[in-house]
Amino acid sequence: EVQLVESGGGLVQPGGSLRLSCAASGFTFSDITYWIHWVRQPPGKGLVWVSRINSDGAHTSYADSVKGRFTISRDNAKNTLYLQMNSLRVEDTAVYYCARVPTTAVGTYGFDIWGQGTMVTVAS
Amino acid sequence: QSALTQPASVSGSPGQSITISCTGTSSDVGGYNYVSWYQQYPGKAPKLMIYDVSNRPSGVSNRFSGSKSVNTASLTISGLQAEDEADYYCSSYTASRTYVFGTGTKVTVL
Repeated sequence: EVQLVESGGGLVQPGGSLRLSCAASGFTFSDITYWIHWVRQPPGKGLVWVSRINSDGAHTSYADSVKGRFTISRDNAKNTLYLQMNSLRVEDTAVYYCARVPTTAVGTYGFDIWGQGTMVTVAS
Repeated sequence: QSALTQPASVSGSPGQSITISCTGTSSDVGGYNYVSWYQQYPGKAPKLMIYDVSNRPSGVSNRFSGSKSVNTASLTISGLQAEDEADYYCSSYTASRTYVFGTGTKVTVL
C-alpha cells in the first residue's frame, strides 16, 4: 500500500523549534518523478501550501510565510522527508500534511497521496 | 501569494448539479494547466478528485468534472449525492514555482 506517515508534532513555545518527519512506503521514494510537499491546515481553516522538494533534494521552494524559518529535506536511504521548523510563531499552529506530487516534463498529477497529518501547536 | 478565491458555500438537492469556482490570476490558474481539486471530510486528509484541470484519477466517480476559462477554474459535481457533502479545495502551480490553494468551499446536500 502506498503510504505517507507523518510524525514529530507537538506543543512548542513561540520562538522554539520542531522537526517533522514523513515516512514513505509502498513506492520508490527516490524516483525522479516524485516531488514531496508539506501542506498545513490551521484549526478550522483551509489548506495552505508550505514547501516542496524534488527527488534528489537539489531543488526546494517555500511559501513566503515560512521562508528563512523552515527547511525541507529528505533522506532517500531512509525513505523519509523532513521539515525543520525554527523561530515558530503562534500562527504556525496547524495540522501538517506531507503529500506526493508526481511531476514529469509534460505535467504534474496533483497531490495524489497524503499522510494523515501531525498537529503542531505553538503556544506559551 | 494570495489564496485562490472560492465561494464559501454551495448547496444543492440530491440529483442536482453544482459548480464550484476557483478564481486566480494569470500568474497561477490562468498561466498553467496545473489546477487540481480536493475533497476533504472533517478530520480527514484531503483526497485528489481532479488534476491538470480536467483529469480524473482512477477510482474517482465520473460525476466529478473540471474545466478552466482564463483565470477561473471550475469543479462540477453532477447527480449530487449525500456522500458528496464535504469541503472542496482547488490548487494551482504558480509563476513563483510555488503552489497555492483556494479558500475552500463547503458543499451541503439539502
